[in-house]
Amino acid sequence: AQSVTQLDSHVSVSEGTPVLLRCNYSSSYSPSLFWYVQHPNKGLQLLLKYTSAATLVKGINGFEAEFKKSETSFHLTKPSAHMSDAAEYFCVRGDSGAGSYQLTFGKGTKLSVIP
Amino acid sequence: EAGVAQSPRYKIIEKRQSVAFWCNPISGHATLYWYQQILGQGPKLLIQFQNNGVVDDSQLPKDRFSAERLKGVDSTLKIQPAKLEDSAVYLCASSFYPSGGGRTDTQYFGPGTRLTVL
Repeated sequence: AQSVTQLDSHVSVSEGTPVLLRCNYSSSYSPSLFWYVQHPNKGLQLLLKYTSAATLVKGINGFEAEFKKSETSFHLTKPSAHMSDAAEYFCVRGDSGAGSYQLTFGKGTKLSVIP
Repeated sequence: EAGVAQSPRYKIIEKRQSVAFWCNPISGHATLYWYQQILGQGPKLLIQFQNNGVVDDSQLPKDRFSAERLKGVDSTLKIQPAKLEDSAVYLCASSFYPSGGGRTDTQYFGPGTRLTVL
């Protein structure tokens, strides 16, 4: 089965410092990859998605991710953390099957931002 | 545009009772998904509908879970009887395009229903 691995369950950064959330995916002929964010008691919100058009993907709120096929990685970064970035982040892969499209979620990385 | 609506937001029941969750997707979205998110884990797909037909229910525990989307719009997910391990957040999502065919489509999620089974 296809999978994604989020390498850190919890990341803590100071406000104004860079954010790096790491994600590796199991190899596939053509993965679609996403990052979603989940704030407490809120629904999942799409940050960005990779669909093979460009390896560097820019998302909302200043986040971006780079697809590296040689490393099977799709790490999420942001130059400067803001307090409002504190949330749970999920790396997700999408796979098409026979008439279906399935998202497989990583276990999540909780981001804490220290004032 | 309005987002994916879910109700109730919270539900507490005793084990062996039954419970139902409701979801109304974004207007015009063909595909609807139900996910289960256990505390500390990522969401896991339970069932996927395209219009009013099921396209994937391979991970749905069919002995106790059922779901329907009769008119191809809103959907209900039912658990009967509930077990302690069913305590989780149940998320509904929808996407515009019919699934499959290699198309990558964004899924929009509702706020979820938090179920506690005592």
